[in-house]
Amino acid sequence: DAKTTQPNSMESNEEEPVHLPCNHSTISGTDYIHWYRQLPSQGPEYVIHGLTSNVNNRMASLAIAEDRKSSTLILHRATLRDAAVYYCILDVNRDDKIIFGKGTRLHILP
Amino acid sequence: KAGVTQTPRYLIKTRGQQVTLSCSPISGHRSVSWYQQTPGQGLQFLFEYFSETQRNKGNFPGRFSGRQFSNSRSEMNVSTLELGDSALYLCASSSRPLDTEAFFGQGTRLTVV
Repeated sequence: DAKTTQPNSMESNEEEPVHLPCNHSTISGTDYIHWYRQLPSQGPEYVIHGLTSNVNNRMASLAIAEDRKSSTLILHRATLRDAAVYYCILDVNRDDKIIFGKGTRLHILP
Repeated sequence: KAGVTQTPRYLIKTRGQQVTLSCSPISGHRSVSWYQQTPGQGLQFLFEYFSETQRNKGNFPGRFSGRQFSNSRSEMNVSTLELGDSALYLCASSSRPLDTEAFFGQGTRLTVV
């Protein structure tokens, strides 16, 4: 079973920041938090991952709560090409497999 | 470098038949995982292979099987196809078993009629 909870869908205006929340209250100390996204008609693609500290890369930023029970994926300036389903996933070392939840469908309004 | 290649892209089969799907991972990657994606169930983990050994298996019936070759290429087989097996089948490759970035192929769209 997926160990994360995300809103079903979100909307944002083009060129504005987007904050995608994820709850993972059952997280344990060694579980990494991964984000993937799936654009229409494509396989999922990796976005970012982190353990405790906030992370930044060219695609997005990941803000992790101090108690690690939630995290937020931040797209600093959304474009129409960012419209996708975003999945927040716990990488549980014991299982070594990615378990996808339902994800958040992000709509970008021009 | 080349990405993850899945063949064929599209497939139509009849109930009761069997099907074999292929996945070529990124060069140097030794871990290949398979997923089934349907509108109702979303992305579900099938199994994962690393160095020719199945390391993990999801909750799918024995009709779903796979294997990995010495060059890390992987095949997935579904026997006695059912209508409910119609789905997008995705494979992902990574250098190590899914603890860092995984790369997905575009998938094989299987339709069972």
